[in-house]
Amino acid sequence: ILNVEQSPQSLHVQEGDSTNFTCSFPSSNFYALHWYRWETAKSPEALFVMTLNGDEKKKGRISATLNTKEGYSYLYIKGSQPEDSATYLCAFHGGSQGNLIFGKGTKLSVKP
Amino acid sequence: EAQVTQNPRYLITVTGKKLTVTCSQNMNHEYMSWYRQDPGLGLRQIYYSMNVEVTDKGDVPEGYKVSRKEKRNFPLILESPSPNQTSLYFCASRLAGSSYEQYFGPGTRLTVT
Repeated sequence: ILNVEQSPQSLHVQEGDSTNFTCSFPSSNFYALHWYRWETAKSPEALFVMTLNGDEKKKGRISATLNTKEGYSYLYIKGSQPEDSATYLCAFHGGSQGNLIFGKGTKLSVKP
Repeated sequence: EAQVTQNPRYLITVTGKKLTVTCSQNMNHEYMSWYRQDPGLGLRQIYYSMNVEVTDKGDVPEGYKVSRKEKRNFPLILESPSPNQTSLYFCASRLAGSSYEQYFGPGTRLTVT
């Protein structure tokens, strides 16, 4: 059974703090690593799809890095804002079947 | 507008009464999938489909059926729902290939009493 682990499980920060979370995934048979942002009462929305070792992607204050050889990805949020409060999911795409295996997420709460 | 739609959004039903949750996408995506989300367990895949008439089991397929007769539709069928199928269900779709993001429907909150 493939395992995707995310840490921490939850995080509480103050507005303006920068933060980062980790996603660990199997280092073999790698196709892609996805990051999603999931706000309460909404559905998950894609942030990044990363496919190459060493990839770095950025969208506004959010960025992500990828290390496929050691099987981890980091998501960074610079200068957190209350509207960043959400659960951040990563998903591992391994193998040609196309299944995404999701981690349980990191729940971020940003206090004003 | 590109989107994945699900119906119904909310459903309360009784044990054993067959139900279908519809899912439709207008993006010509090959790949469609159903997930259930339960507290502490994250998103778990129920069934997926790589294209028309091609479906396969995910991690938690027991008690569910699917069909893919048309590219845009991927209904989830519960032949005899039970209380342990009370959950939040998401349909999702994306293009085939490794570098494409997945689009989620708005979710269906199902309660089986």
